[in-house]
Amino acid sequence: DTGVSQNPRHKITKRGQNVTFRCDPISEHNRLYWYRQTLGQGPEFLTYFQNEAQLEKSRLLSDRFSAERPKGSFSTLEIQRTEQGDSAMYLCASSSRGRGDFNEQFFGPGTRLTVL
Amino acid sequence: KQEVTQIPAALSVPEGENLVLNCSFTDSAIYNLQWFRQDPGKGLTSLLLIQSSQREQTSGRLNASLDKSSGRSTLYIAASQPGDSATYLCAVIHGSSNTGKLIFGQGTTLQVKP
Repeated sequence: DTGVSQNPRHKITKRGQNVTFRCDPISEHNRLYWYRQTLGQGPEFLTYFQNEAQLEKSRLLSDRFSAERPKGSFSTLEIQRTEQGDSAMYLCASSSRGRGDFNEQFFGPGTRLTVL
Repeated sequence: KQEVTQIPAALSVPEGENLVLNCSFTDSAIYNLQWFRQDPGKGLTSLLLIQSSQREQTSGRLNASLDKSSGRSTLYIAASQPGDSATYLCAVIHGSSNTGKLIFGQGTTLQVKP
């Protein structure tokens, strides 16, 4: 399968615990995005990587959130001291570099986080 | 600030009907517009991408149009089937973006009844 993969698919944790999610983009896609989606809403942008550089972070990404893409391949999103408001679907997307314009983004299956 | 709206929030139609889903955006300066499908509890599947210079794109029974000047896009689904039941999301990349982040609408949940 050459699509975007995310692990784990589901995570249940207690408030105050730390969690880490992983995203493996489509091979050779240099652009990687994280989004968050709550029930009944469209996804909201969290952060963007071009290769290994994190070039944009949303104001939604509080200091409890950190993301990395150490070698420009897979990416991790860590949430420290989780809160019930962090419960959501976390989606990863990747795209290839276009000529001037931006190419189609392909999404992974998401990680569903539930904070008890 | 770019905002994307999808109306209606939900739609129910009998099988075989042709239907149109609407998407509007407040700022006509966009790079492109993308339509997605999302099944319950799943990720997003890309359906169609329309570049800002294009007027429409077609894939099978799906046709998406773009009118930048009026800030509107429509997704036309021909001969709907129960398997088309899902939430349909549209998203734009704002023309001032350096990163290509998508700005989404809230989606239209479609139910096609057999």
